[in-house]
Amino acid sequence: EVQLVESGGGLVQPGRSLRLSCAASGFTFDDYAMHWVRQAPGKGLEWVSGISWNSGSRGYADSVKGRFTISRDNAKNSLYLQMNSLRAEDTALYYCAKDSGSYKVANFDYWGQGTLVTVS
Amino acid sequence: EIVMTQSPATLSESPGERATLSCRASQSVSSNLAWYQQKPGQAPRLLIYGASTRATGIPDRFSGSGSGTEFTLTISSLQSEDFAVYYCKQYNNWLSITFGQGTRLEIK
Repeated sequence: EVQLVESGGGLVQPGRSLRLSCAASGFTFDDYAMHWVRQAPGKGLEWVSGISWNSGSRGYADSVKGRFTISRDNAKNSLYLQMNSLRAEDTALYYCAKDSGSYKVANFDYWGQGTLVTVS
Repeated sequence: EIVMTQSPATLSESPGERATLSCRASQSVSSNLAWYQQKPGQAPRLLIYGASTRATGIPDRFSGSGSGTEFTLTISSLQSEDFAVYYCKQYNNWLSITFGQGTRLEIK
């Protein structure tokens, strides 16, 4: 059974940093691209960042470019999101999502339950 | 960045009726369009990808159509469990993915 478990969220002051983690199990982690998607309270979904299976390609939403960094450790079956210079508008539930392909597919077939980040 | 616009924002339908949700892209995304369903307190679920291919386990009452800039999600006969929020998502550029703002499907 595929499982994605996010952690690392919490309350943080504007301008500070936070690192999110996503522990994956139930599939061959290094075969698939991974993504972060966020949802502000009561709002819609926003894609934040994605990384290919081998970390060779990474993408970011314009709203986080230059402040957030996505990474992965295939030996640990883990995905990360380093968030710097946090702003109030980054407040959201952050989901980790598995891609159905290794690169250039971008269908999110499994999702975690999310970790809440509050910037205040 | 490609902007995705969904309509209507809210759709009220009765169980057993047919629902039609629309999604428009600000520029062509070919068939690189997916639909997700989200229920309160839950993570989204992939319904349709490639504009018209149902994801694993999705009932055949869900169908997707369109290409280029105009897309439609149709639910042929609404069941109680179908009332939720639906999002379209374009992935024409794998490194610049955007969602629509969502359509809330509510019971009439």
